[in-house]
Amino acid sequence: GNSVTQMEGPVTLSEEAFLTINCTYTATGYPSLFWYVQYPGEGLQLLLKATKADDKGSNKGFEATYRKETTSFHLEKGSVQVSDSAVYFCALSGRYGGSQGNLIFGKGTKLSVKP
Amino acid sequence: DAGITQSPRHKVTETGTPVTLRCHQTENHRYMYWYRQDPGHGLRLIHYSYGVKDTDKGEVSDGYSVSRSKTEDFLLTLESATSSQTSVYFCAISPGSNTEAFFGQGTRLTVV
Repeated sequence: GNSVTQMEGPVTLSEEAFLTINCTYTATGYPSLFWYVQYPGEGLQLLLKATKADDKGSNKGFEATYRKETTSFHLEKGSVQVSDSAVYFCALSGRYGGSQGNLIFGKGTKLSVKP
Repeated sequence: DAGITQSPRHKVTETGTPVTLRCHQTENHRYMYWYRQDPGHGLRLIHYSYGVKDTDKGEVSDGYSVSRSKTEDFLLTLESATSSQTSVYFCAISPGSNTEAFFGQGTRLTVV
């Protein structure tokens, strides 16, 4: 079945450092790929998405490119801020029990950015 | 923010008691989901619905049941709560398959 593997955390960076969070997936068909962010005490918010191979999703300085040849969707940001401290989840649209529509999540990567 | 309301936001209950969590949406989306979030496990799908009265099991459905009698409401019931069901529960909605989902704020459930 479909699955997502993302790098273990926690990740601790200094402000203005470059961020990469790795995400690889296993899927049949042509899933869409997503990054979600969760701030403490809150629900998950969609950060960016890509719906087909070679698409680049971007939002708030974050980027990720759908790489079908390497089955990857790595999250990057050129210069992180303290306010980026959160847990980041990679996800793909999948099938479960023969039906469509649910998302399959990685286990999350906690990012802490120090001033 | 997508119009999703979860209630209650926090609940403490005793082992063996039934508990119902409610998810209400104002977006008229077809799909609704219940996930639980636990440290080291990320989010795991409990049950989902693809229409009124159309529901199916997810990855961790044992001990849970759901009902969807109206488009806007999706109820999650723990028939007899156990300590292993202490978790944060999230409802999510999406307009169709292969699309993003929008999440509620979560319900923190503690079973003592």
